[in-house]
Amino acid sequence: AQSVAQPEDQVNVAEGNPLTVKCTYSVSGNPYLFWYVQYPNRGLQFLLKYITGDNLVKGSYGFEAEFNKSQTSFHLKKPSALVSDSALYFCAVRATHGNNRLAFGKGNQVVVIP
Amino acid sequence: GAGVSQSPSNKVTEKGKDVELRCDPISGHTALYWYRQSLGQGLEFLIYFQGNSAPDKSGLPSDRFSAERTGGSVSTLTIQRTQQEDSAVYLCASSLPRLRGRDEKLFFGSGTQLSVL
Repeated sequence: AQSVAQPEDQVNVAEGNPLTVKCTYSVSGNPYLFWYVQYPNRGLQFLLKYITGDNLVKGSYGFEAEFNKSQTSFHLKKPSALVSDSALYFCAVRATHGNNRLAFGKGNQVVVIP
Repeated sequence: GAGVSQSPSNKVTEKGKDVELRCDPISGHTALYWYRQSLGQGLEFLIYFQGNSAPDKSGLPSDRFSAERTGGSVSTLTIQRTQQEDSAVYLCASSLPRLRGRDEKLFFGSGTQLSVL
């Protein structure tokens, strides 16, 4: 069965510094990978996805993520964090074939310090 | 409506009672998911509906949980004989049909906060 690991409970970063949120996955075969974000008192929103093609994908709000097949990782990055990026970030994976369940990680709380 | 609608937004119930949670997906979205979000537990998959296919119920935690989707649109999640450990936010999401990943993007509702006393 597919699964996602987000090893850090909370990521603290100073405003203006680079932000990285880590994600590793386990899936049978090739993956489809996603990041979703949950801002305070708001619903979950899609941020970006990797389906095929270029390993570096760009998403909303200046975020990007790099698919690394050999390391089974899909880390989320932003070159310069904003206070408004403080939120809960979820990584998700599903297999391209077979079981189509979309599995989410437990989430990472990102706190951007002014 | 323009988005996924869930009702009620909050539900407080007594242990042992049954509850029904409702989800109205975005029109035209054939895929519908239920997830449960608990503090420190992340998003736990419950059940997945895709068109007329048999639903994937493998995430339902016990036989007290069931869900149906009538007419390929509205879905109801039912929890019988609620327990305190059922307290969580129950999220519904819908998406367009999967076409090799194209258009694959879940739209989430605001959730139902369930509190079992």
